[in-house]
Amino acid sequence: DQQVKQNSPSLSVQEGRISILNCDYTNSMFDYFLWYKKYPAEGPTFLISISSIKDKNEDGRFTVFLNKSAKHLSLHIVPSQPGDSAVYFCAASAYTGTASKLTFGTGTRLQVTL
Amino acid sequence: ETGVTQTPRHLVMGMTNKKSLKCEQHLGHNAMYWYKQSAKKPLELMFVYNFKEQTENNSVPSRFSPECPNSSHLFLHLHTLQPEDSALYLCASSQDTRGTEAFFGQGTRLTVV
Repeated sequence: DQQVKQNSPSLSVQEGRISILNCDYTNSMFDYFLWYKKYPAEGPTFLISISSIKDKNEDGRFTVFLNKSAKHLSLHIVPSQPGDSAVYFCAASAYTGTASKLTFGTGTRLQVTL
Repeated sequence: ETGVTQTPRHLVMGMTNKKSLKCEQHLGHNAMYWYKQSAKKPLELMFVYNFKEQTENNSVPSRFSPECPNSSHLFLHLHTLQPEDSALYLCASSQDTRGTEAFFGQGTRLTVV
């Protein structure tokens, strides 16, 4: 059973517009959420994160929103640029007592078109 | 030079072979991880090491054997693998195991024939 779900495998957005990537989770023990970006032939790169005590975190063009009651988070990219085209992974973290374990979604492929 | 380096980038091995994947981090982190990414599946955590000690084994078959000689190096020894073990193996590191921001290497694309 997937605890972190990204239901949209792909998304296409025009350059300059807003990209919204969504993520749902089921485990209420998750206390930290992250977004990673992955280009082909590279490992995932950390993008932005949010603690469960917040509902919004902003870093330049990237904003992550967390709705704990709905167990939903989203990543907004505005304005979208062609270099943003990549696969975006949502991840959630829960501390097990020995380590923080990251659980990843399956990813959403974002294509920013000219 | 990237913070987390993995070698080799690609590996093809037979089911009776023994091979090792290597990971090195230059970030001064104390925690290192092995993840597996199979086609159309999310990244799966395999092992966690903190200060060279294994703290998590996520029910990984014994044909995968990790080794962490120091906080900067992590190996994954492979033997008698199955074709279904073909996947992208990613190494990551973080400041400690309580930290959640993990930095990933580029991965080793493994094909078992």
